[in-house]
Amino acid sequence: SQQGEEDPQALSIQEGENATMNCSYKTSINNLQWYRQNSGRGLVHLILIRSNEREKHSGRLRVTLDTSKKSSSLLITASRAADTASYFCATILYGQNFVFGPGTRLSVLP
Amino acid sequence: NAGVTQTPKFQVLKTGQSMTLQCAQDMNHNSMYWYRQDPGMGLRLIYYSASEGTTDKGEVPNGYNVSRLNKREFSLRLESAAPSQTSVYFCASTTRGQLEHEQFFGPGTRLTVL
Repeated sequence: SQQGEEDPQALSIQEGENATMNCSYKTSINNLQWYRQNSGRGLVHLILIRSNEREKHSGRLRVTLDTSKKSSSLLITASRAADTASYFCATILYGQNFVFGPGTRLSVLP
Repeated sequence: NAGVTQTPKFQVLKTGQSMTLQCAQDMNHNSMYWYRQDPGMGLRLIYYSASEGTTDKGEVPNGYNVSRLNKREFSLRLESAAPSQTSVYFCASTTRGQLEHEQFFGPGTRLTVL
């Protein structure tokens, strides 16, 4: 089983709605990052949250981290068609490498 | 800055053929990585190079070799391609040694092994 797993696997919403996706992980982490991947492209870094932080904002993105539950959520507010992509969480274990989850496929319908 | 570049973008091989995927970064990053991405799965680490002159195995290294040619370049070689290696391959780089470091990804190489 994987260190990080996103939920749901797929999400379809209307433009203007909010999208929430979750990530669960298994072991203690240094920090957790969210990435976006547009179809056929490489991953792009969105936001990083440290293990001692509980919430972070960047534009329309809001990330929370609950280390007691070993989970994180990514909220995209007022979604746009251009937000259609796959979203991955990546956990960074102390002294080790990135571990990516299988991703959430988000479709924002106009 | 071009960031992370990969060549080729697409490749079709026959079983048993060999090839090298090239990756270069111009951000003076210490660490470089090779991942593969299969449908419905996240990225799995094949090999990484924490710094120039060092390479280490990741989660799925079997069937692959790597070379960290210099600080800029990190290549991935398939000596005898198998259909199970059909995948999209991504190279990434980062400045290791810091507690917070994002990875920068190349555009990927789509490899099909027949």
